[in-house]
Amino acid sequence: AQTVTQSQPEMSVQEAETVTLSCTYDTSESDYYLFWYKQPPSRQMILVIRQEAYKQQNATENRFSVNFQKAAKSFSLKISDSQLGDAAMYFCAYRRGGGGADGLTFGKGTHLIIQP
Amino acid sequence: DGGITQSPKYLFRKEGQNVTLSCEQNLNHDAMYWYRQDPGQGLRLIYYSQIVNDFQKGDIAEGYSVSREKKESFPLTVTSAQKNPTAFYLCASRPDRVGTEAFFGQGTRLTVV
Repeated sequence: AQTVTQSQPEMSVQEAETVTLSCTYDTSESDYYLFWYKQPPSRQMILVIRQEAYKQQNATENRFSVNFQKAAKSFSLKISDSQLGDAAMYFCAYRRGGGGADGLTFGKGTHLIIQP
Repeated sequence: DGGITQSPKYLFRKEGQNVTLSCEQNLNHDAMYWYRQDPGQGLRLIYYSQIVNDFQKGDIAEGYSVSREKKESFPLTVTSAQKNPTAFYLCASRPDRVGTEAFFGQGTRLTVV
């Protein structure tokens, strides 16, 4: 079975600074997808960024980027120029590739605090 | 607007009663999912469905049941057999295309007293 591990229960960063959230995963599959979701106090799950395992290039979405190390099974999220609105729980998630409807496997989350 | 609607937002039930959580989507998505979230935990998969009249157990299906009679609807019943039903429940859907991400509803907070 696949597992996703987020080793940082809580992180704190000053506004406008950069922070990196860690995620490691375990799988025997070669085709899969990785995601970072944000859950603000409203509890709505919002997709931040996704990475296809077959792509060597790291995904980037504005201030959010990932460092995908396939051999090490590591998938960290970097948030640049942190803003107060970035404060939330962040979840790393894995889904097997292929055409099935498999669900996501989530880590336990990292609570990100933004200090003004 | 297109989206996923979960209702109600808050639900209170007495111990031993079955309760049904609603999930409706108008995104024309094929696959639908139910997740459970407990404090300090990530989301865990309860059930999922790829097409109408077909669904599969997830990691924690015991004490839950689902149906998929319409593409747009995927209700979850929390039965009296679920030993610890108090939790936050999230419904999600996604198109049946390779690589697409899941979209989530706003969740239902179930409290059993």
